[in-house]
This record gives sequence, C-alpha cells and structure tokens, in this order.
Amino acid sequence: EDKVVQSPLSLVVHEGDTVTLNCSYEVTNFRSLLWYKQEKKAPTFLFMLTSSGIEKKSGRLSSILDKKELFSILNITATQTGDSAVYLCAVTGNQFYFGTGTSLTVIP
Amino acid sequence: DTGVSQNPRHKITKRGQNVTFRCDPISEHNRLYWYRQTLGQGPEFLTYFQNEAQLEKSRLLSDRFSAERPKGSFSTLEIQRTEQGDSAMYLCASTQAAQNIQYFGAGTRLSVL
Repeated sequence: EDKVVQSPLSLVVHEGDTVTLNCSYEVTNFRSLLWYKQEKKAPTFLFMLTSSGIEKKSGRLSSILDKKELFSILNITATQTGDSAVYLCAVTGNQFYFGTGTSLTVIP
Repeated sequence: DTGVSQNPRHKITKRGQNVTFRCDPISEHNRLYWYRQTLGQGPEFLTYFQNEAQLEKSRLLSDRFSAERPKGSFSTLEIQRTEQGDSAMYLCASTQAAQNIQYFGAGTRLSVL
C-alpha cells in the first residue's frame, strides 16, 4: 500500500531554533516529492524534489531528497513565529499522496 | 485574482440534505483534483479530472459523492444525503498535466448537523 509518513507529528520550538522535519514514503512509480506549508487554509507550495542529493533552498528553508532510502527532510533555520504552520509532504506516483503533516509552533 | 477559486467558503447543512461545491481552477491548468481534509490529517485524495474526463476516483469515495467537469473548466462536487461524517474541508487543486505542482484553493468547509 502506498503511503507517506511524516515525523514528528508536532513540534514546539523557540524563535531562532533550527528544526528538521522528516518525510518517508513508499509510493509506486515515484515521480516527485513536494513540501507544502498550511496555515489556516489551503496548502501553499514550498519545494518540489525529483532528484536525490540536490538541495533546494528558499531563504531560511531548505530540503533534500534521498531516493535510495525513500525520504526527504525539510530544514528551517532561525525559526520565526511566522513559520508556525502545518508542513505537509506529498508524493506523486500513480496518485498524489499526502502525509498527515508536522505541526510546528514557534514560541517568541 | 487568477488562483484557484472555491465556492462557497463555508456550508452548514442538515443531515440528509444534498450539497454542491464549485471549483474554478487556474485557467491554463488542464488537471483538477478534489481532496477532503479533516482536522489533524493531510488532504485525502477523492478524484481528479484531465480536461472533462474523470480519470480516477478514490476507492474510499462513497457513491453519494459525484464530481463533474463538463466543459473542462470549472468542476462541481456533489454530496447526496449528507452524513455527519462528511463534515470536513473540501479542497480543490489544479495543475498542468506535465507538472507535478498542485495549486490549491482556499477550500469549502462543510459542517453537517
């Protein structure tokens, strides 16, 4: 059965901390892995990863994919309160599969 | 605004009633997806269209649910004889077939009393 598993389920950190969010997957006909940020409403796109070992960066966020070990990590450095959200990992294969998300809370 | 648009934003209904939601995708996107999301869970795939053709439906999708995209542009999702378990956020997303990035609407939150 195809699945996407994220860990931890929730995380509480202080402003300025660095966090690492994990996503592992077992998906038939893997095509890509995507990270989304979801605040009160719709998920907004962060990164798409298709190749192993190539880091994608956007400001304080970065992500990398390991297609051999079937996982990805999302790093956020120097966290801010505005980073508080649910971070969703999605994998495209025959369908589009989401994990349950990691809820990140950044305390001032 | 040229993003994905969903209407209504909120819907409250009584058990047993039928409801219909609408999604207008980004205009040049030929794929349209419907998802359901409940609290603490990631979006759960329901169905998707490429142009007007419904290519896939989740095995979990009850026959009370039906979706259409008659002209390959906007789509509707109808739920017949609603049950309290149908209460959720219904999200629509669109993409170009050659891309993997889905762009989401703000969702329709359904509450079945």
